[in-house]
Amino acid sequence: KQEVTQIPAALSVPEGENLVLNCSFTDSAIYNLQWFRQDPGKGLTSLLLIQSSQREQTSGRLNASLDKSSGRSTLYIAASQPGDSATYLCAVSLSGYSTLTFGKGTMLLVSP
Amino acid sequence: DGGITQSPKYLFRKEGQNVTLSCEQNLNHDAMYWYRQDPGQGLRLIYYSQIVNDFQKGDIAEGYSVSREKKESFPLTVTSAQKNPTAFYLCASSIGGGAINEQFFGPGTRLTVL
Repeated sequence: KQEVTQIPAALSVPEGENLVLNCSFTDSAIYNLQWFRQDPGKGLTSLLLIQSSQREQTSGRLNASLDKSSGRSTLYIAASQPGDSATYLCAVSLSGYSTLTFGKGTMLLVSP
Repeated sequence: DGGITQSPKYLFRKEGQNVTLSCEQNLNHDAMYWYRQDPGQGLRLIYYSQIVNDFQKGDIAEGYSVSREKKESFPLTVTSAQKNPTAFYLCASSIGGGAINEQFFGPGTRLTVL
């Protein structure tokens, strides 16, 4: 059974720092990997989706990489801002017809 | 605006009651999903539907029921058989049909048992 782990569970940084969030998965035969952001009491917002054939995706200050062979993905946030404070979740799917398996998330706090 | 709506935002249930959570999408997506989120845990899949009039159980389907009579609607009923229903419930949709499977989420419903 696919398991997804996110480290660290919580992270606190001062504004302006570059930071990396980690996601690992046990079954490397994934179809795609998706990163989400969740603000307290809200739904999930899709940030980036990486297909299995891709190695990275970028959107603004966010860059997500994927290494299928090692079962890892990283989300890089450049020049962090207080508005980036949220919980970040990663999720993987094994096929276009399969459901997502989620990690428990990393809670990020960026202090002014 | 295209998107997913969930109602109500907050819901209170008495012991022994069934309650229904609404999920509607106007994205023309074939696939829809229901997740449950508890503090400190990741999202867990309750039910999902790849197409109208068809749905499958997820990892924690016991005590829940769904229907998919219309493409845009996927209501979730929390029955009295669900012993610990207090949680945050999230509905999602994706294009489906074996496509890239990027999922989009609604704002959630917080259910509390009194």
